[in-house]
Amino acid sequence: GQNIDQPTEMTATEGAIVQINCTYQTSGFNGLFWYQQHAGEAPTFLSYNVLDGLEEKGRFSSFLSRSKGYSYLLLKELQMKDSASYLCAGVDSNYQLIWGAGTKLIIKP
Amino acid sequence: ETGVTQTPRHLVMGMTNKKSLKCEQHLGHNAMYWYKQSAKKPLELMFVYSLEERVENNSVPSRFSPECPNSSHLFLHLHTLQPEDSALYLCASSQERETGANVLTFGAGSRLTVL
Repeated sequence: GQNIDQPTEMTATEGAIVQINCTYQTSGFNGLFWYQQHAGEAPTFLSYNVLDGLEEKGRFSSFLSRSKGYSYLLLKELQMKDSASYLCAGVDSNYQLIWGAGTKLIIKP
Repeated sequence: ETGVTQTPRHLVMGMTNKKSLKCEQHLGHNAMYWYKQSAKKPLELMFVYSLEERVENNSVPSRFSPECPNSSHLFLHLHTLQPEDSALYLCASSQERETGANVLTFGAGSRLTVL
């Protein structure tokens, strides 16, 4: 079956770095997404990886290893506004999105 | 403003009521989606429309009935719901469907409570 695993909740300190991991099992693979969702708001697109390696966008970076079925989202210089849920989603061979249950990130001062 | 607007934001209804959720996008996207989001569960895809034609229905109970009158509007008609249908219903749109880098733009959702 198809599956996305990510931790349910993580806590980090303002100004620090946090890495949110995601492992995936999909029928075929056409990329992996990360979305951010603040409480009561719409999920918003953060990143899309289809090739191995690290892609950096300001304070946020996303990494993919297709051979390991693994991705992570790296958040640097954490700010209180980064408190949100982070959703990982893999794209299968039929271009269907397979979603994880999301990781709730709590930032403490 | 996310580009996708959903109304109402909150809805409380009894099991015998009929209500509708509305979604509107003016991004020029060709595909629109309804998702169900329950606490601590993955997003569940309910319906997909591409160019106003329903292309996917993921075994959703008939008490949920979608309607897509044009490429900018999407409705979810609700009838005889059950308490377990209480959830956040998210609408999304995208430029195309069958491509890997298919970025979804979501609305803020309609929080539904069924009593």
